[in-house]
Amino acid sequence: NAGVTQTPKFRVLKTGQSMTLLCAQDMNHEYMYWYRQDPGMGLRLIHYSVGEGTTAKGEVPDGYNVSRLKKQNFLLGLESAAPSQTSVYFCASSYRRGRPEAEAFFGQGTRLTVV
Amino acid sequence: GEDVEQSLFLSVREGDSSVINCTYTDSSSTYLYWYKQEPGAGLQLLTYIFSNMDMKQDQRLTVLLNKKDKHLSLRIADTQTGDSAIYFCADAQPGNQFYFGTGTSLTVIP
Repeated sequence: NAGVTQTPKFRVLKTGQSMTLLCAQDMNHEYMYWYRQDPGMGLRLIHYSVGEGTTAKGEVPDGYNVSRLKKQNFLLGLESAAPSQTSVYFCASSYRRGRPEAEAFFGQGTRLTVV
Repeated sequence: GEDVEQSLFLSVREGDSSVINCTYTDSSSTYLYWYKQEPGAGLQLLTYIFSNMDMKQDQRLTVLLNKKDKHLSLRIADTQTGDSAIYFCADAQPGNQFYFGTGTSLTVIP
């Protein structure tokens, strides 16, 4: 019962470096999300996907790109990291067709520090 | 977009009831959720309520929904130290977009 798995769990980047965060889910969920969590601001949606091959912008998409080449994976990329991107990043997935409730399941988070 | 608001902090004594409040702005919500986040962990679903319900009880948890006022609350009876965490309300819009509140940090004083 892996659920939603994020890698890596921690990362320190220098300003201008790039990296990719990987999210994998094994629940056959249609929807996947990337959020960032900052103190006093709750969770803010970066990008989301409603199915394989589709992505859409959320509330704070600038500086990030995503891809959903396979249904079970959702990748978040930072092309040129900035200190403002220091945050805890959470991936989530939801919605299995035929079920009315839409509970979102979360990964354990990735703590990213940009110096 | 949707605005979901919560107060940031709440302190209660062990054994008392806790009430965490949430307001939202969009009346097209389908489900409303309460999530719990323990230190260093992701969010875990506590309970949810369908938008056509007024109340849902689940052991020590009671969720009240006032659709007219767009107000959601979570009551935890007999609060324990293990209930100390951050609690998020979330609103699921049609199309499965989730909007989260800022989170309420609950501290339980022994």
